[in-house]
Amino acid sequence: GAVVSQHPSRVICKSGTSVKIECRSLDFQATTMFWYRQFPKQSLMLMATSNEGSKATYEQGVEKDKFLINHASLTLSTLTVTSAHPEDSSFYICSAREPLAGAYEQYFGPGTRLTVT
Amino acid sequence: DAKTTQPPSMDCAEGRAANLPCNHSTISGNEYVYWYRQIHSQGPQYIIHGLKNNETNEMASLIITEDRKSSTLILPHATLRDTAVYYCIVRGGNFGNEKLTFGTGTRLTIIP
Repeated sequence: GAVVSQHPSRVICKSGTSVKIECRSLDFQATTMFWYRQFPKQSLMLMATSNEGSKATYEQGVEKDKFLINHASLTLSTLTVTSAHPEDSSFYICSAREPLAGAYEQYFGPGTRLTVT
Repeated sequence: DAKTTQPPSMDCAEGRAANLPCNHSTISGNEYVYWYRQIHSQGPQYIIHGLKNNETNEMASLIITEDRKSSTLILPHATLRDTAVYYCIVRGGNFGNEKLTFGTGTRLTIIP
């Protein structure tokens, strides 16, 4: 199947700083990418949907000014957590949609563990 | 998208078939059933999907009832590496727009 990578895999930052997470589709072009957040022992919660070249669509309750998403190319989307606080500590997972004939499969990255101290 | 209901946890002996049920009684005609799994601290992994017919691939089989209100994911010979949370997701057929919504899933533990 298609491969999606994330960088970094783990990051620790101080409260008040910003952190950027990259999501790349390695062997296909992804017109749509998704960002999820997962707290311990909970399910994945969709944060936003990003389409290449346009503004991201955020889910209800997700602050768009705090979680900046850029999808500047067909293989790269970035999530920037601005002015991070300890409550932003979470597992952030991206996924990319691969358009196949008649269907769109969605592949997930390995996740980024963010810890805000 | 239709909601799904899965048991919160299941155990299965290593080497035996693991059968994971999913109820999706409000599924509509153009919605597919997808299965993903998430091994601890990793991103979800696609397993299989289907619309009406039973499906099989190298990882698993998917059995969908005739009325499509429920399905079963079958891992034919479970190994310890199959220990994970398994998510059953119903997704619309308008592939350009719909998104995957994860429920709570079934935590499958393979017992040595």
